[in-house]
Amino acid sequence: DAGVIQSPRHEVTEMGQEVTLRCKPISGHNSLFWYRQTMMRGLELLIYFNNNVPIDDSGMPEDRFSAKMPNASFSTLKIQPSEPRDSAVYFCASSSVAGGPNNEQFFGPGTRLTVL
Amino acid sequence: AQSVTQLDSQVPVFEEAPVELRCNYSSSVSVYLFWYVQYPNQGLQLLLKYLSGSTLVKGINGFEAEFNKSQTSFHLRKPSVHISDTAEYFCALLRAGGFKTIFGAGTRLFVKA
Repeated sequence: DAGVIQSPRHEVTEMGQEVTLRCKPISGHNSLFWYRQTMMRGLELLIYFNNNVPIDDSGMPEDRFSAKMPNASFSTLKIQPSEPRDSAVYFCASSSVAGGPNNEQFFGPGTRLTVL
Repeated sequence: AQSVTQLDSQVPVFEEAPVELRCNYSSSVSVYLFWYVQYPNQGLQLLLKYLSGSTLVKGINGFEAEFNKSQTSFHLRKPSVHISDTAEYFCALLRAGGFKTIFGAGTRLFVKA
């Protein structure tokens, strides 16, 4: 099992540019989570999908952020336009159970985003 | 609302010494509790979890945690640490029936030779 796959692993861009982060969850998992990790704010949940449907996007910081899950094996997180304060490590995680005691989340290696 | 507080941001310890990483939580409803570990430049992975039953939970890599309902704590312990245990450790909770795992701020464990 390849685990959760994220690409790119590192992204450096200039303020105002569009950034797209990609995630492939573990095959068979029906829940997908996007997190942002910074020194100041720790680990924050941005959005949660269940069976490809966004269930809770209350953590998405602004309208500049959007996420999609067109099928069970792919999700994107887009920032347009990007700003320096978006610099962080973005994690994707997947789970085989939506909630409940067996909701162990499997995390990808993360994408380190730097916006100059 | 639920919350998780990790009482130490950094814990330095010598190799082969015991260690305890402290976690307190707040919730008015039943919760499940987790400890995750994050090695440098990697994502988080599950160390152990408490669902119900025995309050002492054993996890991977020799770690264990004890659930204390009266003190609303879930401290993580290891009797003898290795250099390879150097990582960041996150305490987390999930409301029973919920989907949103709430993570603490993390504790950085630094094991010195």
